[in-house]
Amino acid sequence: GDSVTQMEGPVTLSEEAFLTINCTYTATGYPSLFWYVQYPGEGLQLLLKATKADDKGSNKGFEATYRKETTSFHLEKGSVQVSDSAVYFCALSEMNRDDKIIFGKGTRLHILP
Amino acid sequence: DTAVSQTPKYLVTQMGNDKSIKCEQNLGHDTMYWYKQDSKKFLKIMFSYNNKELIINETVPNRFSPKSPDKAHLNLHINSLELGDSAVYFCASSQTRQGANEKLFFGSGTQLSVL
Repeated sequence: GDSVTQMEGPVTLSEEAFLTINCTYTATGYPSLFWYVQYPGEGLQLLLKATKADDKGSNKGFEATYRKETTSFHLEKGSVQVSDSAVYFCALSEMNRDDKIIFGKGTRLHILP
Repeated sequence: DTAVSQTPKYLVTQMGNDKSIKCEQNLGHDTMYWYKQDSKKFLKIMFSYNNKELIINETVPNRFSPKSPDKAHLNLHINSLELGDSAVYFCASSQTRQGANEKLFFGSGTQLSVL
């Protein structure tokens, strides 16, 4: 079945460091890919998405590119801030296959001032 | 106004009790979901309703019963609570039942602790 694998956390970085959170997926068709973010004590919020190969999703300085050849959707940010501390979830959904969005296990990011 | 609201925020109860969690969305969405997040932050879908009709029912014990009185509400009733039910339960909604290209809107979660 479809699945999402993302790097284990926690990831601890200093402010202004470069961030990469790896995400790879397994799907039988052509999924849409998402990154959601969960701030402490809150529900998940959509951060960015990409719906086809080579699309780049971006929001709040974060970017991720849909790489079909490597089945990856890595999240990057050039300069992280303390306020980026949260749990990040990679997810996929396949159109016309079923109605589920499948989430990865989440990666906790902790940014030190 | 909160888009997806769930109550209570915290629920502490004894094993064997029956409890309910309520969820309401004011976005006019057709589809609502219940997700369970365990202590390691793993998020797994439990149920999904579209216009009051059950469309996703994952492998969840029969003790869990969702109820959707109208498309703006999806409640979760849990019978005979067990220690392993302790988790954070998230309600979510989306415009339609099409998962792809859809943005999910999440509530802030209900922290359930079974003692």
